[in-house]
Amino acid sequence: GPKVLQIPSHQIIDMGQMVTLNCDPVSNHLYFYWYKQILGQQMEFLVNFYNGKVMEKSKLFKDQFSVERPDGSYFTLKIQPTALEDSAVYFCASSLASASAETLYFGSGTRLTVL
Amino acid sequence: AQSVTQPDARVTVSEGASLQLRCKYSYSATPYLFWYVQYPRQGLQLLLKYYSGDPVVQGVNGFEAEFSKSNSSFHLRKASVHWSDSAVYFCAVSYNNRIFFGDGTQLVVKP
Repeated sequence: GPKVLQIPSHQIIDMGQMVTLNCDPVSNHLYFYWYKQILGQQMEFLVNFYNGKVMEKSKLFKDQFSVERPDGSYFTLKIQPTALEDSAVYFCASSLASASAETLYFGSGTRLTVL
Repeated sequence: AQSVTQPDARVTVSEGASLQLRCKYSYSATPYLFWYVQYPRQGLQLLLKYYSGDPVVQGVNGFEAEFSKSNSSFHLRKASVHWSDSAVYFCAVSYNNRIFFGDGTQLVVKP
């Protein structure tokens, strides 16, 4: 089936540094999402993105977070500066149309460890 | 406010036994409903989804779920589980272009 690739699978950084998480969504998908999962618990919505713009973001999407997809390349999540509570697994997802009825396809996640 | 409740954090069953994982939602209308499965170190994968029509929907690997409007539930079932079904299962509801996940139920299948 369709694949969403996330690079890297694991990232360890010091608190205060910048980190960029990369996502290669399904090629013909138009909607992109980031979710945060702590300790294998609930998947929590961070942000969705369409047509070059953030459509909606949750309260977890702090000012230190930003997303972009320059020129149809990777869909990225940047955190600058990072904090200890940003340690989690971040999942990227994409869908062909908006989320209400469409299946989301998820990547395998990037485990971010902030020291 | 909308919510998804999976009352069982962990369910243990023997291989070959039947399975039911519970999910209840709260929303004024009928939302779109999903079950996703997460295997270790992987992202979520869709098992099945419900929009309308027949309240029993069939999914992959022998899973099915039944929508009940009166109970606001969407329970997942399987007649005979296999050890490879061990994973975390998430119920989700979707409306207004947002998807909300439950806390997940960890399924452990004993040999």
